[in-house]
Amino acid sequence: EDKVVQSPLSLVVHEGDTVTLNCSYEVTNFRSLLWYKQEKKAPTFLFMLTSSGIEKKSGRLSSILDKKELFSILNITATQTGDSAVYLCAALSGGSNYKLTFGKGTLLTVNP
Amino acid sequence: NAGVMQNPRHLVRRRGQEARLRCSPMKGHSHVYWYRQLPEEGLKFMVYLQKENIIDESGMPKERFSAEFPKEGPSILRIQQVVRGDSAAYFCASSLGLAGEEQFFGPGTRLTVL
Repeated sequence: EDKVVQSPLSLVVHEGDTVTLNCSYEVTNFRSLLWYKQEKKAPTFLFMLTSSGIEKKSGRLSSILDKKELFSILNITATQTGDSAVYLCAALSGGSNYKLTFGKGTLLTVNP
Repeated sequence: NAGVMQNPRHLVRRRGQEARLRCSPMKGHSHVYWYRQLPEEGLKFMVYLQKENIIDESGMPKERFSAEFPKEGPSILRIQQVVRGDSAAYFCASSLGLAGEEQFFGPGTRLTVL
């Protein structure tokens, strides 16, 4: 059965801290790894990673994929209170369908 | 810049009633996915549809649940004879349909079964 595991499940930090969120996956017909941010509404797309070892960056967020070890990390530097959210990791399967298998998420709380 | 639209945003049903959840994909997107998020659980894949076709329904419960994406109009997720365990947030996502394209999510419908 396809599986995505995120750690930690929750994290509390102070503004300005740097955080690293972890995601490991076991998925048949793996195509890509996606990160979403969820704030009590629709998951908002952050990154899609397909190639191993290539870092993707967007402002203070960055992410990288290791296809050999089957994991990805999401880094957030200089955290702000607006970064507080659930961060979801999902593995995209290929083949004849393109379904996402999600982890349970990491709840990040950034305190002022 | 209309994203994925879902309605209603909140739906309350009594046990045994039917629930109909609607999803309009982003403009130009022809692939629709439905996911369910139970309390304290991650998002779980239910079904993947293209126009007039169900591509993968491996995540759908065998009974009471059905989905369609007609040639015209929104995709519909239909739950017959709802039970308390159906209470959840139901999210729809859409993609362009090219191989490996990212999926964009709607705001979800929160179903509460009394």
